[in-house]
Amino acid sequence: QSVLTQPPSASGTPGQRVTISCSGSTSNIGRETVIWYQQLPGTAPKLLIYNDNQRPTGVPDRFSGSKSGTSASLAISGLRSEDEADYYCSTWGDSLNGWVFGGGTKLTVL
Amino acid sequence: QITLKESGPTLVKPTQTLTLTCTFSGFSLSTSGVGVGWIRQPPEKALQWLALFYWDDDKRYSPSLKSRLTITKDTSKNQVVLTMTNMDPVDTATYYCVLARRRASCSGGRCYYFEYWGQGTLVTVSS
Repeated sequence: QSVLTQPPSASGTPGQRVTISCSGSTSNIGRETVIWYQQLPGTAPKLLIYNDNQRPTGVPDRFSGSKSGTSASLAISGLRSEDEADYYCSTWGDSLNGWVFGGGTKLTVL
Repeated sequence: QITLKESGPTLVKPTQTLTLTCTFSGFSLSTSGVGVGWIRQPPEKALQWLALFYWDDDKRYSPSLKSRLTITKDTSKNQVVLTMTNMDPVDTATYYCVLARRRASCSGGRCYYFEYWGQGTLVTVSS
């Protein structure tokens, strides 16, 4: 049972815009910034978004993050086949005194 | 170029102690706002943060595993070592070494995100 709640799956067709949600509480997302990681099949996770909506150098601007209250979202526009991956949200959990993760969302490009 | 690489046993027996080494390059653990830590992922499951060693020698552990974990550093070798005692089959997972970076305009141990990840090493716990 993950502290942050994500839908287990999402899908879209090439060129579409998809969003992945991440739901938390006032002790985590409600008071801390959200981070998103992308894990391509068979590889290590990679930083995608930090500080709710900041992209590291090299991450395409097709990826964007947002947060409102105790929920956050990752949006991917202009969906491409290489975006097929697992996506994890994360933040600091005050009540757990450590970093917490969502259960992950498997994105399928149809 | 920043790299992190995990090394250690691929198979441990129940009740044994696991020792994993992270060897890194391209940055210094003495630099303000930097940390090196460990995150694991059981097969087909989600990520779980384990421990973090900060640039100022502070350390932080997952509360649920704190009694079993120890994280240390060897500055001369650019290494961070994680030990986990009393291993159990439920500890079977891929263990990742990570470079943590403190975000701007934030102070405190919670202000970090995991910027770079090693390739991971699969550890199986079985008799």
